[in-house]
Amino acid sequence: NAGVTQTPKFQVLKTGQSMTLQCAQDMNHNSMYWYRQDPGMGLRLIYYSASEGTTDKGEVPNGYNVSRLNKREFSLRLESAAPSQTSVYFCASSENLISPLHFGNGTRLTVT
Amino acid sequence: EDKVVQSPLSLVVHEGDTVTLNCSYEVTNFRSLLWYKQEKKAPTFLFMLTSSGIEKKSGRLSSILDKKELFSILNITATQTGDSAIYLCAADMDTGRRALTFGSGTRLQVQP
Repeated sequence: NAGVTQTPKFQVLKTGQSMTLQCAQDMNHNSMYWYRQDPGMGLRLIYYSASEGTTDKGEVPNGYNVSRLNKREFSLRLESAAPSQTSVYFCASSENLISPLHFGNGTRLTVT
Repeated sequence: EDKVVQSPLSLVVHEGDTVTLNCSYEVTNFRSLLWYKQEKKAPTFLFMLTSSGIEKKSGRLSSILDKKELFSILNITATQTGDSAIYLCAADMDTGRRALTFGSGTRLQVQP
């Protein structure tokens, strides 16, 4: 009964490095999301995928790209990391675009 | 600009106390109000409210929505140390795409 699984749990990058955060869900949900959480800012949507084969920008998409690999998996890529991308990243999924989100345990990313 | 404001920012109570957490919202095309509990990792879903005046209950937690005054409250009775967490509310909007605006949370600490 894993729910939403994210890897890695922690990552430290140097400015300019790239990396991909992985996310998989086993609830057969159609929609998947990537959020970032910063102190005092609440959760902010980076990108989402309403259904397999579609992706759309959220509130803060600059500096990120996503891939909906199949129904289960949704990855987030940082092509050239910047210190402003230091944050906790959460992947989430939902049955559809109006149902509640179920979150993964997060990835704590530090960019130095 | 869409916004969700939670109060208080932080609260310390003793076991057995009753607490009320507040969430006010100003968003366009409001659809629903969601509450989440965040302990150390993933936010976990508590309630989704769509209609005014109908209380939702789960054990010692309950929540109600007032669509006229644009707020929701989350009540926790007979608090326990396990209730210590950050409580997040989010307003969902009907825009044809996912538009969920989160508040920055209320940090609740329950002391023995």
